[in-house]
Amino acid sequence: DVKVTQSSRYLVKRTGEKVFLECVQDMDHENMFWYRQDPGLGLRLIYFSYDVKMKEKGDIPEGYSVSREKKERFSLILESASTNQTSMYLCASEGGREKLFFGSGTQLSVL
Amino acid sequence: QKEVEQDPGPLSVPEGAIVSLNCTYSNSAFQYFMWYRQYSRKGPELLMYTYSSGNKEDGRFTAQVDKSSKYISLFIRDSQPSDSATYLCASSIYNQGGKLIFGQGTELSVKP
Repeated sequence: DVKVTQSSRYLVKRTGEKVFLECVQDMDHENMFWYRQDPGLGLRLIYFSYDVKMKEKGDIPEGYSVSREKKERFSLILESASTNQTSMYLCASEGGREKLFFGSGTQLSVL
Repeated sequence: QKEVEQDPGPLSVPEGAIVSLNCTYSNSAFQYFMWYRQYSRKGPELLMYTYSSGNKEDGRFTAQVDKSSKYISLFIRDSQPSDSATYLCASSIYNQGGKLIFGQGTELSVKP
């Protein structure tokens, strides 16, 4: 079974802090994604990566950056956290033929 | 207009009922159609996967795609309380490397 592991289930941070969300997949997938999920807005794509050291902006990249130094690891960075970044963050990897496998999510609260 | 539209519900049904969940889409180039199930405070998991049009059945679940009307459906027979979750439809054109377009999700509650 594909396993996508997100480092934290719940995270509470202060406004202005730099926040790192880590994601690791164990299936040697090339493509990885970061989404945020908000009530009434569904899943929105923040960033994605098709290879090591490659990154592409999704639909809502503002206020975020990403890092992909190793194939199995894709990190989402909030440079200066703001309250409107309080959300559920979901990492996914693509297992071929457009099939996404998601992690359990990180519920981030920014106070 | 969103590319994939889904009624967010919530939808509440008694145990044993047949559930019909639906989405519409606007992009006629979509080839891949998926349903994800998401339990509360968990990540979505792939439930049903269809390429192009037609039906696919897996146990109590049937996924249906009608490309002529741009309609995606998920039917759940003999619904169980354990089916209570949010169901997300998703679509993609060919060779997008996993860049799916998701519907908003429908929250389903199956009452014992």
